[in-house]
Amino acid sequence: GAGVSQSPSNKVTEKGKDVELRCDPISGHTALYWYRQSLGQGLEFLIYFQGNSAPDKSGLPSDRFSAERTGGSVSTLTIQRTQQEDSAVYLCASSSRGELFFGEGSRLTVL
Amino acid sequence: GQSLEQPSEVTAVEGAIVQINCTYQTSGFYGLSWYQQHDGGAPTFLSYNALDGLEETGRFSSFLSRSDSYGYLLLQELQMKDSASYFCAVRDSNYQLIWGAGTKLIIKP
Repeated sequence: GAGVSQSPSNKVTEKGKDVELRCDPISGHTALYWYRQSLGQGLEFLIYFQGNSAPDKSGLPSDRFSAERTGGSVSTLTIQRTQQEDSAVYLCASSSRGELFFGEGSRLTVL
Repeated sequence: GQSLEQPSEVTAVEGAIVQINCTYQTSGFYGLSWYQQHDGGAPTFLSYNALDGLEETGRFSSFLSRSDSYGYLLLQELQMKDSASYFCAVRDSNYQLIWGAGTKLIIKP
């Protein structure tokens, strides 16, 4: 497709399980961002990729969170040993010249 | 620290004009952007100002004053579909995006 694609769109998991969220950016976009958004709240920055490298990981909440990007394209965000406070919508965005294009997000619910 | 301030909520009447303000304090400035987000949806880009002045795109306009570290989004001829949250964002000297907390626009008929 022409837009940013994220999967799964919804994920329900049990506390303590690991989850993996995927983002497929717009082809040719070198910059890729992960954000987290709780209901009714603003965007919480998690991590930024330029190509395959992550010059800014400052937003990752804890060492349970990690992300990688391969081939300058697809990115995965992994949350280990999920906690209830991890429940949120995880948004991915890609960019080439400044404007960010967002995916529809992955809604994570940790029971 | 770096911060962007915008009102948490604004209420207006259908057909009216509303202005959403954004003041920023960042290390460096490479432009002010505005995004719209409907409930349950993804943010979508509305406008971008790198230089002082007004940028107009249909019913939406965005203004920037770099000397005042201030900008606003102006929505004219409000329609019910404009009910959404609006976020301002600034690129700092590291070219990172700093986001405001968002303004929820409530439109009454």
